[in-house]
Formats: sequence, C-alpha cells, structure tokens
Amino acid sequence: DSGVTQTPKHLITATGQRVTLRCSPRSGDLSVYWYQQSLDQGLQFLIQYYNGEERAKGNILERFSAQQFPDLHSELNLSSLELGDSALYFCASSVGGTYNEQFFGPGTRLTVL
Amino acid sequence: QKEVEQDPGPLSVPEGAIVSLNCTYSNSAFQYFMWYRQYSRKGPELLMYTYSSGNKEDGRFTAQVDKSSKYISLFIRDSQPSDSATYLCAMSVNTGNQFYFGTGTSLTVIP
Repeated sequence: DSGVTQTPKHLITATGQRVTLRCSPRSGDLSVYWYQQSLDQGLQFLIQYYNGEERAKGNILERFSAQQFPDLHSELNLSSLELGDSALYFCASSVGGTYNEQFFGPGTRLTVL
Repeated sequence: QKEVEQDPGPLSVPEGAIVSLNCTYSNSAFQYFMWYRQYSRKGPELLMYTYSSGNKEDGRFTAQVDKSSKYISLFIRDSQPSDSATYLCAMSVNTGNQFYFGTGTSLTVIP
C-alpha cells in the first residue's frame, strides 16, 4: 500500500457525461500528479500540482481539468466524455516536486459507454 | 516517433530464468532512468532508479543504461512467479520534469 488513495475504484458512464476522480496524497506529500493509462498509449502524464498550484502540464485535453485543494487532496474533472477516454487514471504524490520520488495510487478505472 | 519504445511482449519464462527487459529512446538529453513494476489492477511501484550511463544492482535486479545507443535494460536473475507483472521503463531530462513512460512489457514467470 503506497499511502495514496483514489476514489472511486471503478466508474461507468455514458458519452457526453462529466465525472470527477478524487485523490488523497500520502501524508506530508505536497505534489500530486495525474496520469492516464491506456493499452495503446501506455502511461501518459496529464498534470502536476504542487501545494495547490499547477506546476506542469502534459498531454491533458482541454475537456479535462484538475485542482488541488488546501488540504492537498486533488480532483480530476473529465467532461464531454468520449469512448476513447476509457482508461485507468492514476494519481501519484511526492514530498517535493521531483518525479523520481512518486508513489502511485491504485487507480480509477473509467469506462465510457 | 514516440519518446520511449518498449516491446509489449508478452514474455513468458520458466522459474529461475534470467529475464531481460529493454527500452529504447530518442531524446539524447534523457539522464534519469527508472523501472517500475505494475501488478494487475495496481498502481506502478518504483523498482530501480539510475542516473546517466552504467549499471546499478539491487538484489536480483540489475539496471543498465547505454546512453550512446539510447538503450536501457532491466535484468532479473533467478526469476520467481512473484515477478509476474508488467514492467514499465521511464526516463527524463531531470527529476524536476515529467518522466516519459514506455508502454510496458508483460512478464509471466511459470513455476
């Protein structure tokens, strides 16, 4: 158990809908990272937050947004969902902003029908 | 061309075999190289972390980086059924920037 928690574990929804994925980092970690993992693309970095501020953006679609709250938990919002958004979404956290010290959560499996 | 290429496998070996997992990359500026292990329905966990070229050993695992060939490897000695997982390579220019991941190689160690 990495200490990073993600809810929900599974999510099934329809195209065009909006969902929110939640992540609680390890105690003491200030950075949160979001990743999307699909079979053909592998693990793709979406976005990083550090102590409430956006630090870096990767391959995040405009339909997706994230935020980190004062208690350091983070939410990833996915809107106007398409079939191709079906994937595993992972959250990771680290103490500082260095990517080599990330601990990953168990992921949320999103299925868009 | 993808930043990082990794053969997806699947790879199936008998228990006790030596396993070699490999990745190639295109960005010669990459200096930090990592290997993650991902069990089914779990998040990735860090196995090995190396900087620049050379070898690093940790128990049954050896990570090797050849920057001149833009090629990294992970060797698993005396493989065990508990090593059955997907192995992801990842790399970056520095630790403050995003890591680029390979698509992962699925490994099964048969008892």
